[in-house]
Amino acid sequence: ELQLLESGGGLVQEGGSLRLTCAASGFSFSDYAMSWVRQAPGKGLEWISGISGSSGYAYYGDSVKGRFTISRDISKNTLYLQMNSLRAEDTAVYYCAKRRHSAPQLGFEDYWGQGTLVTVSS
Amino acid sequence: QSVLTQPPSASGTPGQRVTISCSGSSSNVGRNPVNWYQQLPGTAPKVFIYSNSQRPSGVPDRFSGSKSGASASLAISGLQSEDEADYYCAAWDDSLNAWVFGGGTKLTVL
Repeated sequence: ELQLLESGGGLVQEGGSLRLTCAASGFSFSDYAMSWVRQAPGKGLEWISGISGSSGYAYYGDSVKGRFTISRDISKNTLYLQMNSLRAEDTAVYYCAKRRHSAPQLGFEDYWGQGTLVTVSS
Repeated sequence: QSVLTQPPSASGTPGQRVTISCSGSSSNVGRNPVNWYQQLPGTAPKVFIYSNSQRPSGVPDRFSGSKSGASASLAISGLQSEDEADYYCAAWDDSLNAWVFGGGTKLTVL
């Protein structure tokens, strides 16, 4: 069974850092691109980053570029999101998702994790 | 302000047909395929239409998608109470090098 389990969310002060982890199982992790998508309380979805299946090439949304870094450890089937210089507006539920393609700019998210809440206090 | 524009709300009675629009530009919807996601309260989104008009297995054929130029639409026919949810469109933006979402449409079944 395919599973995506996020962890690492919590309460952090503005300017602080947090690393989110997404443990993947049930599929060939290196064959597919992965995404991080967030949703602020009561707001819509925002794609923030994607990484390719094998090359590790990454893309970022403008709101997090230069502050967040996506990475993956193929040997551990794990996706990461390092979040630095956190702001109050980064408060959201963060979802990791598997894409049905090896390239992050193609396809769609076909499996999602349950989400992890990040709260940034000002 | 979302890059893709959707109406904030839509509604219909059971059995009716409802459409939700998604307006973009030549750098996103006008050039790349559009995906549609359904999100029920408190749950992760789920893709309902991909590549403009393709339905994943398990999605009822009451759901259909189309695209013309820089606009896309999601149509739901034979509306049912379980269709009440938030719907989002998404497309890759070649100028931003990022996926962009619409602001979401809350569908209410009256």
